Amino acid sequence: DIQMTQSPSSLSASVGDRVTFTCQASQDITSFLNWYQQKPGKAPTLLIYDATYLETGVPSRFSGSGFGTDFTLTITSLQPEDIGTYFCQQYDSLPSFGQGTKLEIK
Amino acid sequence: EVQLLESGGGLVQPGGSLRLSCVVSGFSFSDYAMNWVRQAPGKGLEWASSIRASGFKTNYADSVKGRFTISRDNSKNTLYLQMNNLRAEDTAVYYCAKEGWRHFDQWGQGTLVTVSS
Repeated sequence: DIQMTQSPSSLSASVGDRVTFTCQASQDITSFLNWYQQKPGKAPTLLIYDATYLETGVPSRFSGSGFGTDFTLTITSLQPEDIGTYFCQQYDSLPSFGQGTKLEIK
Repeated sequence: EVQLLESGGGLVQPGGSLRLSCVVSGFSFSDYAMNWVRQAPGKGLEWASSIRASGFKTNYADSVKGRFTISRDNSKNTLYLQMNNLRAEDTAVYYCAKEGWRHFDQWGQGTLVTVSS
């Protein structure tokens, strides 16, 4: 099984900050890495698929990078509506998720 | 508009059974693989099961293998999850999710399953 490790587990940032989330796979998953946002009390929504592709309707301040085992999700200018928990997911073999990073506003 | 609506959750005793349903609209259900993902209270996301568009191939997480059965009725635009021999650790919100190419691009709002005596 492929294990996904996210860091940090939580982070607090100010509106307008650049925010970076990291995700590491236990083995090479090429680009089969997705990012989801989950707002409190809501279902997850897809942000980034295949490591770098922005899902339709997602603001351009979100971007993804990485290949192989190390991946990054970046928010270039944090907005208040971005609070929530962010999960990475690999789908190289059977899908699995990271444990999530909870984002709060300072 | 794409919609996925789960139902069938509730309170069940350990060892009991439940069948979850997910009725979809707004896309051609028979063309897409579907998944069940669960989330225990205050915890992260756990993929549980998937089924190919045709219904002929299924996969399960080790934690549910042998107890849960995923199925679909393409004529009714409905996905199912039959859950048997339920355990306390199966307590979670269960989401159905439409699969794009190796990602989950649409999710339902979830149905809560509570396993407790």
